Amino acid sequence: DAGITQSPRHKVTETGTPVTLRCHQTENHRYMYWYRQDPGHGLRLIHYSYGVKDTDKGEVSDGYSVSRSKTEDFLLTLESATSSQTSVYFCAISWARGNQPQHFGDGTRLSIL
Amino acid sequence: EDQVTQSPEALRLQEGESSSLNCSYTVSGLRGLFWYRQDPGKGPEFLFTLYSAGEEKEKERLKATLTKKESFLHITAPKPEDSATYLCAGVTDSWGKLQFGAGTQVVVTP
Repeated sequence: DAGITQSPRHKVTETGTPVTLRCHQTENHRYMYWYRQDPGHGLRLIHYSYGVKDTDKGEVSDGYSVSRSKTEDFLLTLESATSSQTSVYFCAISWARGNQPQHFGDGTRLSIL
Repeated sequence: EDQVTQSPEALRLQEGESSSLNCSYTVSGLRGLFWYRQDPGKGPEFLFTLYSAGEEKEKERLKATLTKKESFLHITAPKPEDSATYLCAGVTDSWGKLQFGAGTQVVVTP
């Protein structure tokens, strides 16, 4: 299994509070991705990173920000959580860009009340 | 607009009853087609990459094929442990962004 750890695994919080999810990898892969998974929508890309301090937006980036200060850590922040951001969040890593497979962590289940 | 559509949404099989899952895509300039397996409470687990029409990949009871417009995942003589949601995804650009289908939930009963 790819060495990807997501934390926390579960979180319940209230609307308007800030939330930060962490993805930690031990594979030294350059590329990291954040997805959300919702019923009927499949996995959708939020943000991705192609190196330390290099990030870009994905399909559903509104309301989210990311940071990557070290190769092994990629943080996803919801500055002011809303109920529409209730979802399961997955981090993925890849050793190269383009058509190389991405490997996923086991997700964070986030509930915003 | 890039789109990946999987069918059926759900599939219930008897153990040993072979079947196929479909993944159709309208991704222009497709750079690769991935198949993943996802178990409840877990992240997607990589199965196969297909790069060009006519390509086939096999792993145990699973075989993936690719044409110019769709991919199939064939499950031969499935066992209960093959029960999972199967996801396909197309690579949409040089950065490796993936467009996922919504998945097919497969249940194999003894």
